[in-house]
Amino acid sequence: ETGVTQSPTHLIKTRGQQVTLRCSSQSGHNTVSWYQQALGQGPQFIFQYYREEENGRGNFPPRFSGLQFPNYSSELNVNALELDDSALYLCASSNTGKGDAEAFFGQGTRLTVV
Amino acid sequence: EDQVTQSPEALRLQEGESSSLNCSYTVSGLRGLFWYRQDPGKGPEFLFTLYSAGEEKEKERLKATLTKKESFLHITAPKPEDSATYLCASNTGNQFYFGTGTSLTVIP
Repeated sequence: ETGVTQSPTHLIKTRGQQVTLRCSSQSGHNTVSWYQQALGQGPQFIFQYYREEENGRGNFPPRFSGLQFPNYSSELNVNALELDDSALYLCASSNTGKGDAEAFFGQGTRLTVV
Repeated sequence: EDQVTQSPEALRLQEGESSSLNCSYTVSGLRGLFWYRQDPGKGPEFLFTLYSAGEEKEKERLKATLTKKESFLHITAPKPEDSATYLCASNTGNQFYFGTGTSLTVIP
């Protein structure tokens, strides 16, 4: 079992609302990445944080934003929720900003937008 | 465009029936090809990383290989507990590109 924990595990929000998802990275890891996984699809890269700075971003609109804290934990914020934002949101941590180290995933947050 | 494609989408095997899963990639500046296992409703579990063509890695009944354009995950004598979705992902430095996965069902 990895040391990456995400909260909450499940969440239901109404269209137009805002949501914050949280991730505690594995001990010793300084890089956190966030992914969106729709049902039956592979994870889609949202962005990555390395030592509190955004270090890469996928094809997601600005209403998806993030933070990384000095203890390397992280938040994903989504504003103006849309129905298509319903998905499993995954956080992964690794111990390098170069991105070629193995990433360990949390169990995910299942977000449902109604 | 960087892309990762997995096949087949779904695979049903009898217990003990060996097979292979395919992952083809068109990624510039590859810095690693990763294999993950994902059980329903859970996060992906790391299996292997391969960095150069010709490299092979093994773990129990699983063996991953890498060529310049493809990676294969060979499953030898699978058991029902190997049933899961297997994902491959390419890494280009600060971004992972995942395929859509192969859903494997092993029938007792």
